[in-house]
Amino acid sequence: DAGITQSPRHKVTETGTPVTLRCHQTENHRYMYWYRQDPGHGLRLIHYSYGVKDTDKGEVSDGYSVSRSKTEDFLLTLESATSSQTSVYFCAISGTGDNQPQHFGDGTRLSIL
Amino acid sequence: RKEVEQDPGPFNVPEGATVAFNCTYSNSASQSFFWYRQDCRKEPKLLMSVYSSGNEDGRFTAQLNRASQYISLLIRDSKLSDSATYLCVVKGGGYNKLIFGAGTRLAVHP
Repeated sequence: DAGITQSPRHKVTETGTPVTLRCHQTENHRYMYWYRQDPGHGLRLIHYSYGVKDTDKGEVSDGYSVSRSKTEDFLLTLESATSSQTSVYFCAISGTGDNQPQHFGDGTRLSIL
Repeated sequence: RKEVEQDPGPFNVPEGATVAFNCTYSNSASQSFFWYRQDCRKEPKLLMSVYSSGNEDGRFTAQLNRASQYISLLIRDSKLSDSATYLCVVKGGGYNKLIFGAGTRLAVHP
């Protein structure tokens, strides 16, 4: 299995609090991604990174920010969590080159009360 | 219209059955295609890439029809362990971004 670790695995917090999710990889892959998965929507891209300090928005980036200060770590921050951000969050990594698939971490279940 | 569309199912089949899933995509310029499998409350896992000439991996066969923008997955001799959601995935631009279908659920029963 790809060396991807997400933390925490589960979190319950209150509306308005800041939340940071961490994705750590040991594969030295250049590309990293954050998704959320909700019933009826499938996986939707929040933000992605194509190198250290190089990030860009995905299709559902509002309310989220990211940072990548090292190749191995990609952080997702909810500055002020809302109930609509209750979801399962997955991190993924991909190597460079054509036709590269993505490999996923185990996910973080986040509940905003 | 969604960029990647799949029949959500569920497909309920007996062990040993052959089952086929279909998927359509909207971007004719897409170059890479995959099938992923996702078990309940787990992460998606790569099942197989889909090549233009079609490809097979054991009991699984994937086909691509670029003219119709259509991808299929055939599972032969279904096992109980094949029960999962199958995600059709299309490359969605640079940096290896992928676009995921919402998935087709398969339930294999004894």
